[in-house]
Amino acid sequence: GESVGLHLPTLSVQEGDNSIINCAYSNSASDYFIWYKQESGKGPQFIIDIRSNMDKRQGQRVTVLLNKTVKHLSLQIAATQPGDSAVYFCACSGTYKYIFGTGTRLKVLA
Amino acid sequence: ETGVTQTPRHLVMGMTNKKSLKCEQHLGHNAMYWYKQSAKKPLELMFVYSLEERVENNSVPSRFSPECPNSSHLFLHLHTLQPEDSALYLCASSQDYSGPTDTQYFGPGTRLTVL
Repeated sequence: GESVGLHLPTLSVQEGDNSIINCAYSNSASDYFIWYKQESGKGPQFIIDIRSNMDKRQGQRVTVLLNKTVKHLSLQIAATQPGDSAVYFCACSGTYKYIFGTGTRLKVLA
Repeated sequence: ETGVTQTPRHLVMGMTNKKSLKCEQHLGHNAMYWYKQSAKKPLELMFVYSLEERVENNSVPSRFSPECPNSSHLFLHLHTLQPEDSALYLCASSQDYSGPTDTQYFGPGTRLTVL
């Protein structure tokens, strides 16, 4: 069946450094990808999305990279701040619905 | 704030209780969703409503009963739950359910504990 996996359950990054969170998906027909951020006690918050006709998209301090050849998606956060501490997970379009990953917890060290 | 609100934020109930979760979206969206989020598991889609009609029911036990009286409100009625139903229940909405490319916006969730 369709699946989405994240490479690391936890990532610790020094404040000010760049963070890279990875995601792998199985459905080669997926054509839309989203990154969500979920802080403790809150619901998932939309960060950035990308369609399959692109391989890179930039937002404010965030960049999403898509490699369709190896079915890999990554989220890069520049100059990581304490407020970036959260669980990040990707969602990929599946057959009429999203397939979600389990999430990577990002810890920002002072 | 995402424009999607959920009440209550926390709920503790016994296995014989009946309770309801409420979701309201202020975004003018046409599709609404219920998800279950358990620790260390991906989000599980439970129900989807589009224009107040249920379009998806992912083999959810009948002790969960959704209701969508209008495009802005969604309820999840709970009855005779089991301890393994304890989880965070998330509501989401999207502009349409025309396909999986409609971005979903989530509420803060209801943390449910079944004793």
